[in-house]
Amino acid sequence: GAVVSQHPSWVICKSGTSVKIECRSLDFQATTMFWYRQFPKQSLMLMATSNEGSKATYEQGVEKDKFLINHASLTLSTLTVTSAHPEDSSFYICSARETSGRAYNEQFFGPGTRLTVL
Amino acid sequence: SQKIEQNSEALNIQEGKTATLTCNYTNYSPAYLQWYRQDPGRGPVFLLLIRENEKEKRKERLKVTFDTTLKQSLFHITASQPADSATYLCALPWRYGNNRLAFGKGNQVVVIP
Repeated sequence: GAVVSQHPSWVICKSGTSVKIECRSLDFQATTMFWYRQFPKQSLMLMATSNEGSKATYEQGVEKDKFLINHASLTLSTLTVTSAHPEDSSFYICSARETSGRAYNEQFFGPGTRLTVL
Repeated sequence: SQKIEQNSEALNIQEGKTATLTCNYTNYSPAYLQWYRQDPGRGPVFLLLIRENEKEKRKERLKVTFDTTLKQSLFHITASQPADSATYLCALPWRYGNNRLAFGKGNQVVVIP
């Protein structure tokens, strides 16, 4: 089956620093990847849609200058949390949609990255 | 925007019994609905997709129904096992497309040996 990896799986950083999270589709090409954030006991909240070769589309209320997304290739998207603050501490999850077009939008999720900002 | 409701209370069930979860949605009629499993500290794993013209879908011990009139999907785990303990998420495509998914909060299932 399709596999999506994320790196790192967890990260602790100081307030004010930037953190980069990578999302890779390992055995398929993904023109579209999605970035979600999940707080404890809450649903996944879509932050942005990452499109290979073009600018990401951000959801309402998500600061694009704070959450920088780069989708440089068909297998890699990165999310950079800039000037992180404690309120950015969360579980960040990416997903990828296979380019070959499985019907009806099955998304393959990465294992998630736990970010803790001190 | 669409609203997705799942029971916030955990479902505790005896091993071997059938667990039934409910997903209710409002405001529009999606072309399909998906169910995912999420374990603590992990990303969701796709389980089943059911289309609007399908009443029922099965996969091994899992069964999903889709009632577009009631705007409701039921998710059943038959002959439940302790390994089925997890949170199960219902997901719908966003009303205005672009392949985005909206998720419910999930419903935790605890299977007691």
